[in-house]
Amino acid sequence: EAGVTQFPSHSVIEKGQTVTLRCDPISGHDNLYWYRRVMGKEIKFLLHFVKESKQDESGMPNNRFLAERTGGTYSTLKVQPAELEDSGVYFCASSQLGAEGAFFGQGTRLTVV
Amino acid sequence: ELKVEQNPLFLSMQEGKNYTIYCNYSTTSDRLYWYRQDPGKSLESLFVLLSNGAVKQEGRLMASLDTKARLSTLHITAAVHDLSATYFCAVAGYGGSQGNLIFGKGTKLSVKP
Repeated sequence: EAGVTQFPSHSVIEKGQTVTLRCDPISGHDNLYWYRRVMGKEIKFLLHFVKESKQDESGMPNNRFLAERTGGTYSTLKVQPAELEDSGVYFCASSQLGAEGAFFGQGTRLTVV
Repeated sequence: ELKVEQNPLFLSMQEGKNYTIYCNYSTTSDRLYWYRQDPGKSLESLFVLLSNGAVKQEGRLMASLDTKARLSTLHITAAVHDLSATYFCAVAGYGGSQGNLIFGKGTKLSVKP
């Protein structure tokens, strides 16, 4: 069974550009989460989807970040326009409804220069 | 605001030795998770602790939870090189949303021959 898959694994973009990160959860997992780890800091929650609906987006830093999960399958996280402080590793995780814990992807390392 | 503190943040130990990683959290929570991350890889779930006094063991790792002290420990017995990784503890955020996890900064463990 495939795990949580994230694309790309690395992305280097210039300040002001747009980047879209993708997450493919484990098949059948209705819960999908996005997290971010900025260099030297904790992994921080961004938002939580249940199927295609945003259950909790309290961790989204500002309106330059847009997450979608059309059809309740894969999710995208768009950063537009990117700023230097957006650099970090973006993790996606998924789980079945009611399950304890979640399965994480390997992360996308975003570098904004 | 729920905060999670791990210590130490860096740990270099010799094979065969024992050591403990500590995870303190600031407010009541009923779920505590331990994850392991190898460089460039996803976070791997190690333990989920759900009640006061819970103790779980897997191989050379043993995790415990004291909800009254708001403290979890991850004890390493007779360390081997394969245990080298970064270990994170995480606590379920306010409202019990198991996806909204509050992470510690991680403990980077290096086991040397």
